[in-house]
Amino acid sequence: AQKVTQAQTEISVVEKEDVTLDCVYETRDTTYYLFWYKQPPSGELVFLIRRNSFDEQNEISGRYSWNFQKSTSSFNFTITASQVVDSAVYFCALSEASRRGGGNKLTFGTGTQLKVEL
Amino acid sequence: DAGVIQSPRHEVTEMGQEVTLRCKPISGHDYLFWYRQTMMRGLELLIYFNNNVPIDDSGMPEDRFSAKMPNASFSTLKIQPSEPRDSAVYFCASSFYGHTGELFFGEGSRLTVL
Repeated sequence: AQKVTQAQTEISVVEKEDVTLDCVYETRDTTYYLFWYKQPPSGELVFLIRRNSFDEQNEISGRYSWNFQKSTSSFNFTITASQVVDSAVYFCALSEASRRGGGNKLTFGTGTQLKVEL
Repeated sequence: DAGVIQSPRHEVTEMGQEVTLRCKPISGHDYLFWYRQTMMRGLELLIYFNNNVPIDDSGMPEDRFSAKMPNASFSTLKIQPSEPRDSAVYFCASSFYGHTGELFFGEGSRLTVL
């Protein structure tokens, strides 16, 4: 069974600090997809990134970067020079490869609440 | 382009009443998902549809919950009768690629059952 663990329940940082959100996953499939979603205080869930299991290249998008390491089953998310607007709950999620009918469940971690203060 | 539209945004009802939540997915998306979010259980998939057909409803808590998708542009999640433990935020999401692609979420319907 697939599982996603976000051990950090809450992180508080001061603006401009770098922060890394950890995500560890478990799956028996060799083909799977990893995601990060952001849930700001307004409540909606916003997609940030999708990575498939065959692409271990790290990715950078502005102040955001993701480190995917299959050897440690981790898909960590780093925010550089954090800003108050980054305050949100961040969810890591895992989906195993599509099967007939559109695939398996997207399993979410329990989320990490990030608070960025001035 | 309009995103996923859910209504109502907030619903307060009394135990025993029927509750109907509505969702309009993004046009062209073949998959529609209903999730529930609570502090205790996090984000749980209740049911999902592909081309208007329910594919997996194993997450539906019990017979009091039912979901329909009569056409590609509309889905409902009904709770009858409602109970206080059903209080949660219910999200609808749609996708073009199912669970392996990006899910587009609505703003959620916050349900409070007194």
